[in-house]
Amino acid sequence: EADIYQTPRYLVIGTGKKITLECSQTMGHDKMYWYQQDPGMELHLIHYSYGVNSTEKGDLSSESTVSRIRTEHFPLTLESARPSHTSQYLCASSDLLTRKETQYFGPGTRLLVL
Amino acid sequence: GENVEQHPSTLSVQEGDSAVIKCTYSDSASNYFPWYKQELGKRPQLIIDIRSNVGEKKDQRIAVTLNKTAKHFSLHITETQPEDSAVYFCAASLSGGSNYKLTFGKGTLLTVNP
Repeated sequence: EADIYQTPRYLVIGTGKKITLECSQTMGHDKMYWYQQDPGMELHLIHYSYGVNSTEKGDLSSESTVSRIRTEHFPLTLESARPSHTSQYLCASSDLLTRKETQYFGPGTRLLVL
Repeated sequence: GENVEQHPSTLSVQEGDSAVIKCTYSDSASNYFPWYKQELGKRPQLIIDIRSNVGEKKDQRIAVTLNKTAKHFSLHITETQPEDSAVYFCAASLSGGSNYKLTFGKGTLLTVNP
């Protein structure tokens, strides 16, 4: 089934650890996005990508980095996690060729940094 | 860049009543306006969208209206049900070109009381 997958769904980690949040989509979409969202609150765009080898910073400054080596995969990395990084991270994708503006979201990763 | 204002931030209605959420946008070039619903602990999901060449769109109990001159658009939910309780986000973007970013409003928490 075409969908967007995020792993892990929940992560509790200590300060200073390096973490990578995984996002994969089987929808054949070329654009992908990362949002940071505190529960029920505003969606903040932190990174996006138009396609392979393309990455851009979003509207909200973030200490995370992203890569796009494969069309279907858009991982987000925090080199040194801090308590201020505690939040929910949502991955999304959209299709350049058809309904290009509509974004489809993954289930999210809830991150808690102690 | 685009700025989207959303009101109210919280809305409580009785089951069966109607609910209206309003958004204004700043960039007159924006031409695509989706609405997302996010239930507690779930991912945002598109419920309806409208493009600037249309003034109104309906889907069962949900309708969206767009006033391009005033740069505002609204979500109307009729005959509300408890399962309509969620956070609703409006968004705006410019279709076409290379920029497909959505600018989201800050969200409206709708509570439908049985």
